[in-house]
Parts: sequence; structure tokens; C-alpha cells
Amino acid sequence: DAGITQSPRHKVTETGTPVTLRCHQTENHRYMYWYRQDPGHGLRLIHYSYGVKDTDKGEVSDGYSVSRSKTEDFLLTLESATSSQTSVYFCAISDRLTSGIYEQYFGPGTRLTVT
Amino acid sequence: AQTVTQSQPEMSVQEAETVTLSCTYDTSESDYYLFWYKQPPSRQMILVIRQEAYKQQNATENRFSVNFQKAAKSFSLKISDSQLGDAAMYFCAYRTPLSQGGSEKLVFGKGTKLTVNP
Repeated sequence: DAGITQSPRHKVTETGTPVTLRCHQTENHRYMYWYRQDPGHGLRLIHYSYGVKDTDKGEVSDGYSVSRSKTEDFLLTLESATSSQTSVYFCAISDRLTSGIYEQYFGPGTRLTVT
Repeated sequence: AQTVTQSQPEMSVQEAETVTLSCTYDTSESDYYLFWYKQPPSRQMILVIRQEAYKQQNATENRFSVNFQKAAKSFSLKISDSQLGDAAMYFCAYRTPLSQGGSEKLVFGKGTKLTVNP
């Protein structure tokens, strides 16, 4: 357990409404990530952060924005939700092991349904 | 761009038997990491095993081992003495090392659903 929580865990929203998902970590990890998981696609990276206010796009960033104003929180925002954004969203952190190798650990996921 | 391919959408195995899940990847880099993640019905992503590309020795973790063939860009997962709790989706993932200036991102395959029959 890398101390990662996601909120909400489930959400149903209507097309066109804004939605913000929160990822919270308690262990001061520098790197944080947002992925989405869809059947037949595995996990795909949306955005990631390498420090406070430092973020970059992943492979499926269209329609999403992120913010990281403090180390422990990484927010994912859907400005105007669409049905194609119905998915399970995972937050992850990257932790450096004593060996020097980084490994990613995942939060419990948020199931988002856009109707 | 790196790609990861898992050619078996579904696999099944009898309890106590051995099963091998396949994964191939495409990269032009020489130094990287490969991972297998397990996702049970609870949806939690669990790291199963890691392989560093510079290591020739195949990684093992208890009943889980890999067959890493760098030249063939192949990274299969072998599960020995399969247990009912092994039933899950398994994802292969590729990552460049942080020291090479990579952004420490994972690229996942589409997954293999493993069923364990009693």
C-alpha cells in the first residue's frame, strides 16, 4: 500500500458537465500519473506530473486537464464530460526503491459513467 | 514509440498446473524495464514481477517467473502450481529508465484474462 486514495470511487454524471477526480498520496512521492482503463485497451496514460505545478501530457490527453498545486494532490478534470470518457480511472505514484529502481503503484480506481 | 503486445486475450489453466502468458514489445532502446501486473476482480493493480533489461538472469517471485528473451523482445510470465486466487487480468508493461531522461511512463499491453479451473 503506497498510501494512495482516489475520490470519488464511483461517479455518474451527465454529458456536458464538468467532473474532477482527486488523487491523494501521503508519502511525498514526486511522480504521479493518471491512467484510464477501457476494455480491449489496457491502461493508457492521460497525464502525469513530475513535481508541483509540473505536468505533461500522455497518449490520450484530449478532453482532460490536470493540476498539482501541492505534492500530495493530483487532480484530473474533465471540462465537459462526454460518453467516450466513461471509463475506470487510475491514479499511480512512482516510488524509488532502495535499489534505485522506480516502480509504479496504483490507487484503487474511480469508475466514471457519463450518461 | 514503444508498443506492448499481448496476443492471448484469454487463457485458462487447471488448478495446480502451470500456465505461460505471452508478451512481446517493440523498442529501439537497450536499457529498459519490463513488468507484469495482476488485476483481480477487485480492480486493484498489483505488481507481480519486474525484469531489468540489462540483467540476463530471469526474474522469479515465488510461483511466478519470467522468460526474458531480449533479442526476440519477448517477456513471458510463467505461473507454476496455479491457484484459484491467481484468476485475474494480467498486464505486461514496458518502461524506460528514469536516468535516460525518459519520463518514467509505463506502456501497457491490452491484457490477458486468466481463468483458473478447480
